[in-house]
Amino acid sequence: AQTVTQSQPEMSVQEAETVTLSCTYDTSENNYYLFWYKQPPSRQMILVIRQEAYKQQNATENRFSVNFQKAAKSFSLKISDSQLGDTAMYFCAFMSRMDSSYKLIFGSGTRLLVRP
Amino acid sequence: DGGITQSPKYLFRKEGQNVTLSCEQNLNHDAMYWYRQDPGQGLRLIYYSQIVNDFQKGDIAEGYSVSREKKESFPLTVTSAQKNPTAFYLCASRVVTSGIDEQFFGPGTRLTVL
Repeated sequence: AQTVTQSQPEMSVQEAETVTLSCTYDTSENNYYLFWYKQPPSRQMILVIRQEAYKQQNATENRFSVNFQKAAKSFSLKISDSQLGDTAMYFCAFMSRMDSSYKLIFGSGTRLLVRP
Repeated sequence: DGGITQSPKYLFRKEGQNVTLSCEQNLNHDAMYWYRQDPGQGLRLIYYSQIVNDFQKGDIAEGYSVSREKKESFPLTVTSAQKNPTAFYLCASRVVTSGIDEQFFGPGTRLTVL
């Protein structure tokens, strides 16, 4: 069974600085997606960025980028120029393309605080 | 505006009562999901439905039931058999567009057992 591990329960960063959130996963499959979701205090889950496993190029969305290391099964999120609105819980998630449910498997989350 | 709505936002239940959480989407998505979130944990899958009139158990289905009579609606019933129902419940729908797979989430329902 696949598992997703986020080893940093809480992190803090100064506004305008850069922070990296870690995620590792375990799977024997070769065809899957990885995601980072943001959950602000409103508790709405918002997709931040996605990575398809077959793509070697790391995904980037504005200030958000990932470091996808497939062999190491690592998928970290880098937030550049941190803003106060980035304060939220961040969840790493895995989706198997081989599982007919296409369910998301989530890590336990990292609480990020951006300090003014 | 297209999206997913969940109601109510907050729900209180007495022990022994069944309650139903609503999830409606106007995104024309075929697949819908129910997840449960507990403090300090990520989301876990309760039930999912890939198509109308069909649904499957997820990882933590015991004490829950669902129906999928319409494409737009996927209500979740929390029965009295669910031993620890206090949690935050999130509904999602899934779409595949140009080979990109994505799940969209509703705003959630906070269920508290009194």
